Amino acid sequence: QKEVEQNSGPLSVPEGAIASLNCTYSDRVSQSFFWYRQYSGKSPELIMSIYSNGDKEDGRFTAQLNKASQYVSLLIRDSQPSDSATYLCAVHSGTYKYIFGTGTRLKVLA
Amino acid sequence: DTGVSQDPRHKITKRGQNVTFRCDPISEHNRLYWYRQTLGQGPEFLTYFQNEAQLEKSRLLSDRFSAERPKGSFSTLEIQRTEQGDSAMYLCASSSSTGISYNEQFFGPGTRLTVL
Repeated sequence: QKEVEQNSGPLSVPEGAIASLNCTYSDRVSQSFFWYRQYSGKSPELIMSIYSNGDKEDGRFTAQLNKASQYVSLLIRDSQPSDSATYLCAVHSGTYKYIFGTGTRLKVLA
Repeated sequence: DTGVSQDPRHKITKRGQNVTFRCDPISEHNRLYWYRQTLGQGPEFLTYFQNEAQLEKSRLLSDRFSAERPKGSFSTLEIQRTEQGDSAMYLCASSSSTGISYNEQFFGPGTRLTVL
């Protein structure tokens, strides 16, 4: 079992819709969770961090964490073509270690 | 701009040559990480520094790879006797162990290595 799992996609949504990206993790002691956006050929860009169960909102982005289910998600409201990218989920277990998923490719159709 | 910087941005080398990459982290960050990323994969951990101490190195990393962080500031990653399988994007990230951005990692632009 992979430590951090994401559906590779592509996930296609029409412009203006809500995009829902999901991530599951295997290490129950994980404490910090991060979403990164990565455009083709570029480096990852941090867009959200979440540490506690529940929702965290930042502009059009909402991160959701459920530690009991070992599940973290990212919602993007009013999706724009510029949101088309690969979204990486990263999990930090309290030591040095950050584990990344393979990413979900999002395509927002104009 | 006070973000993470990396140099060079691109490197093309012939198999068997040595290459060295540099990373300058965000100035107040005490933690520095090196990752490698290939197409379709997430960043893969290579090594980690807290201040000047190298605290962890991936077991997947061969002895041809070495990293330093003298004086806890910039870091270098050297690959000796490069192989075609070393072709990848090499990413540096930094984070702080304190403050409101605690544990948030910020990446540099990466160095894309091509080994011919």
